[in-house]
Amino acid sequence: GENVEQHPSTLSVQEGDSAVIKCTYSDSASNYFPWYKQELGKGPQLIIDIRSNVGEKKDQRIAVTLNKTAKHFSLHITETQPEDSAVYFCAASTGGFKTIFGAGTRLFVKA
Amino acid sequence: NAGVTQTPKFRVLKTGQSMTLLCAQDMNHEYMYWYRQDPGMGLRLIHYSVGEGTTAKGEVPDGYNVSRLKKQNFLLGLESAAPSQTSVYFCASRLETGVNQPQHFGDGTRLSIL
Repeated sequence: GENVEQHPSTLSVQEGDSAVIKCTYSDSASNYFPWYKQELGKGPQLIIDIRSNVGEKKDQRIAVTLNKTAKHFSLHITETQPEDSAVYFCAASTGGFKTIFGAGTRLFVKA
Repeated sequence: NAGVTQTPKFRVLKTGQSMTLLCAQDMNHEYMYWYRQDPGMGLRLIHYSVGEGTTAKGEVPDGYNVSRLKKQNFLLGLESAAPSQTSVYFCASRLETGVNQPQHFGDGTRLSIL
């Protein structure tokens, strides 16, 4: 069945360093890839998304890349800050109602 | 504009008790979802609805029922709670425009079954 694998499960970086989270999807029909940030005690919130007709998208310190051939997509956070500490989820959707989520990455940014 | 609101935020139940979790959205979204979140397992879809009066099973529907009598509300029911249903439950909604849109999540209901 459809699956999204996310790595690493835990990531610890020093403040100011970059963080990279990688995801692989199984359904080649997937065409929409959102990323969510979940802070403690809150629900996931969309931080950036990319569609299959785009290879890269950037929003300030956050960027996402997509390799459709390899079925890989990644989240890049530069100049990390303590407030970036959270759980990050990748997801993939083929359209319609369904979105498949990765298992999440817990990011720790050490001051 | 409150977005997606879930009530209650916390609840402790005894095995065998029943309860209903309420989700309300004020964005006029067609699609609504119920997920459960367990450590290391991400978000698993329980049930979903593509419009008022419609519901469908997701990945892990057993032990749960849902209803969507009004477009803005999506109710999740546990008829006879079991310890395996201890989890954090998230509701989400999504606009349907023919082009993929992100889901908007509530802040969750933390449910413990003793």
